[in-house]
Amino acid sequence: QVTLRESGPALVKATQTLTLTCTFSGFSLSSSAMSVSWIRQPPGKALEWLARIDWDDDKFYTTSLKTRLSISKDTSKHQVVLKMTNVDPADTATYFCARKYGLHGFDIWGQGTMVAVSS
Amino acid sequence: DIQMTQSPSILSASVGDRVTITCRASQSIGDWLAWYQKKPGQAPKPLIYRASSLESGVPSRFSGSGSETEFTLTITSLQPDDFATYYCQNYNHYFWAFGQGTRVEIK
Repeated sequence: QVTLRESGPALVKATQTLTLTCTFSGFSLSSSAMSVSWIRQPPGKALEWLARIDWDDDKFYTTSLKTRLSISKDTSKHQVVLKMTNVDPADTATYFCARKYGLHGFDIWGQGTMVAVSS
Repeated sequence: DIQMTQSPSILSASVGDRVTITCRASQSIGDWLAWYQKKPGQAPKPLIYRASSLESGVPSRFSGSGSETEFTLTITSLQPDDFATYYCQNYNHYFWAFGQGTRVEIK
């Protein structure tokens, strides 16, 4: 069974660095055509794709946030980590990680973790 | 970056109605488009991949079509469980993006 689970702080202060961890099971991020992405949804707003890391360690970021984001993977621990620097209250959102494999879009999602940024 | 634009933003419909949601890409994405259903407090549920392929377990009343820059999601007979927000998403090129969402509400 393929699962993903997000973890991280529920509350961070503005200007701090937010670190989120996606722990997955049931698949290997070393497999060809596999990738894991981070997506967020601020309260009342749309989904926003943030970053992705591919099986071959290629990394991609949404243009508007690329200077503040860093994504990495630990294949042996089955984890993908997202770091966001200099957070702002506008970064308050539910953060999801999701798997993409082969021809599909995001076929498996975590349940999401809510993060609030205080000023 | 590629921009995805959905219309309408809000759609009011009744149980049994046929509804269609449109998604437009700012440049050609071939058929690298997915559709998701999102309900409050839940993770998005994948419905369609490669523009027209139904994900496993998704009811056949859902269908997708289109290519290049214009795509549609159709629900042939709206059911009570279908009132939700729907998002399209491109996964062509290096930078992916979601549309702004279409909320399907009860008329």
